[in-house]
Amino acid sequence: NAGVTQTPKFQVLKTGQSMTLQCAQDMNHEYMSWYRQDPGMGLRLIHYSVGAGITDQGEVPNGYNVSRSTTEDFPLRLLSAAPSQTSVYFCASSTRDPHSGANVLTFGAGSRLTVL
Amino acid sequence: LAKTTQPISMDSYEGQEVNITCSHNNIATNDYITWYQQFPSQGPRFIIQGYKTKVTNEVASLFIPADRKSSTLSLPRVSLSDTAVYYCLVGDNPYNQGGKLIFGQGTELSVKP
Repeated sequence: NAGVTQTPKFQVLKTGQSMTLQCAQDMNHEYMSWYRQDPGMGLRLIHYSVGAGITDQGEVPNGYNVSRSTTEDFPLRLLSAAPSQTSVYFCASSTRDPHSGANVLTFGAGSRLTVL
Repeated sequence: LAKTTQPISMDSYEGQEVNITCSHNNIATNDYITWYQQFPSQGPRFIIQGYKTKVTNEVASLFIPADRKSSTLSLPRVSLSDTAVYYCLVGDNPYNQGGKLIFGQGTELSVKP
């Protein structure tokens, strides 16, 4: 099925460990982004990309790195995990509607990360 | 960047019409208004999008006044399955310079029998 695929769905890390959350989309969308969602809170933008080779910071970029070597993939890297990064992470992609110029985000199912 | 303000929570009963208003006083000329719905443990999903006046689809209606400084999502005859968090998002074109897609806290709608 077409859409946004995130892996893993669940992950437990120890403080200081590193890991990569994977995000892949097969809709040929130019725009991809990562959000985190903490309990009882809305979505906060971490990083985003408007195309392959282009990335930029969102609201809460510290502690995270991204790269966009292909249109399909947008991995999120935690170099040294901290308990404050315990959260649910959502990847999203979108493309511009050729008629309206507007965008609609398609989200993945989420990756739940716990840092001990 | 356009900031949005929504009520934190709303309660309703099955069969009622629910209206959720979002304020976005500094909306830019090129900005669209988009609403998303999120169920627990799922990613948000698109409900409706508009630029001005009224938009209606099979799920909801979106009312946008002429000044575009607010918008109202209308859900007709809600059911228990409409219990979710609803987000208003403004500035839907990330290709604008500095165009980050920032979500607000959302409105938690609780539908009771």
